[in-house]
Amino acid sequence: DIQMTQSPSTLSASVGDRVTITCRASQNISSWLAWYQQKPGKAPKLLIYKASSLESGVPSRFSGSGSGTEFTLTIYSLQPDDFATYYCQQYNTYPFTFGPGTKVDIK
Amino acid sequence: EVQLVESGGGLVQPGGSLKLSCAASGFTFSGSALHWVRQASGKGLEWVGRIRSKANSYATAYAASVKGRFTISRDDSKNTAYLQMNSLKTEDTAVYYCARSITGTLDYWGQGTLVTVSS
Repeated sequence: DIQMTQSPSTLSASVGDRVTITCRASQNISSWLAWYQQKPGKAPKLLIYKASSLESGVPSRFSGSGSGTEFTLTIYSLQPDDFATYYCQQYNTYPFTFGPGTKVDIK
Repeated sequence: EVQLVESGGGLVQPGGSLKLSCAASGFTFSGSALHWVRQASGKGLEWVGRIRSKANSYATAYAASVKGRFTISRDDSKNTAYLQMNSLKTEDTAVYYCARSITGTLDYWGQGTLVTVSS
């Protein structure tokens, strides 16, 4: 199975900050990577697919990059609604696997 | 509006069975793959399995942790997918989500249903 790791596990930031989350895959997944946002008690929400494509309706302050084994999610100018947990997920190979998550909380 | 609504969760004893349903609306259900993802309390997301469309022979795939115990099926006439869970273990306790996939990504998710395996 492809193992996904994320760093950091927790990130404290302020409104207006630029935030970067890193996701690494244990093997080459090309660009078959998605990013999800999850708030407590809610289902995950798709933000980014194919590593860098913004899902419809997602604010443009979210940006994804990378390919192969290393990927990043950047939130430009963090907003109050962005405090949540973020997961990466590979869909190159079954079984699909998720990263352990990065919690973004208020500094 | 795309909607996915899970139901069927509850309390079950270890070794027992439970069948979850995922009722879909607002899109062409028959043309979509459906995935199940679970999340134990305070933990991360774990992919459980998926079923493809009729055009893809209703092919299924499962995580190793559930293979041989869980079965995914669908009834396109009812716009509903199912997760049959047998030989349940305490570690299967989680919120179970169904999610739609057309291009591989899980673009719409249900609200989840809680399964508790305990004696």
